Amino acid sequence: GDSVTQTEGPVTLSEGTSLTVNCSYETKQYPTLFWYVQYPGEGPQLLFKVPKANEKGSNRGFEATYNKEATSFHLQKASVQESDSAVYYCALGSYGSSGNKLIFGIGTLLSVKP
Amino acid sequence: DMKVTQMPRYLIKRMGENVLLECGQDMSHETMYWYRQDPGLGLQLIYISYDVDSNSEGDIPKGYRVSRKKREHFSLILDSAKTNQTSVYFCASSYGTVSGNTLYFGEGSRLIVV
Repeated sequence: GDSVTQTEGPVTLSEGTSLTVNCSYETKQYPTLFWYVQYPGEGPQLLFKVPKANEKGSNRGFEATYNKEATSFHLQKASVQESDSAVYYCALGSYGSSGNKLIFGIGTLLSVKP
Repeated sequence: DMKVTQMPRYLIKRMGENVLLECGQDMSHETMYWYRQDPGLGLQLIYISYDVDSNSEGDIPKGYRVSRKKREHFSLILDSAKTNQTSVYFCASSYGTVSGNTLYFGEGSRLIVV
């Protein structure tokens, strides 16, 4: 079945350093790929999504490229801020016998120190 | 205002008691979801509802049931709660059933079963 694998956390960085959270996926479909972010005490919210292979999504300085050949969708940011501390989920839009659903990775906890 | 509201936000129940988690949305979304979130497991889908009285099992439906009698309201019921159902539960909604659609999450309901 479809699956998503992402960097296991926690990841601790200093402000101003760069971030990469790896995400790889398995599917026989042509899915939309998502990054969701969950701040403390809140529910996950969409960071951005990319519906087509070889396209890039971005928001709030974060970006990821849908790489169909490598089946990857790595999240990157050039310079993180303390306010970026959150859990980041990579997800895949899947269609199965029970209908459409999002399949999430396990989440990566990012802590940014000032 | 686009919002998913969950009640209660926090509850403690004894093993064997019944639990009712309620979710409402004000976006007239057809599709609603219940997920649970556990450390190291990410977000796991319990049930999907495609509209009133049109519900499907997700990946981990055992021990849960749902009810959707109005489009804007979706309930998760635990008959005779177990300690392994201690978790944070998230409700979400989306417009339609296309796998690329964005999910809007509530703030979560933390359940502790003792």
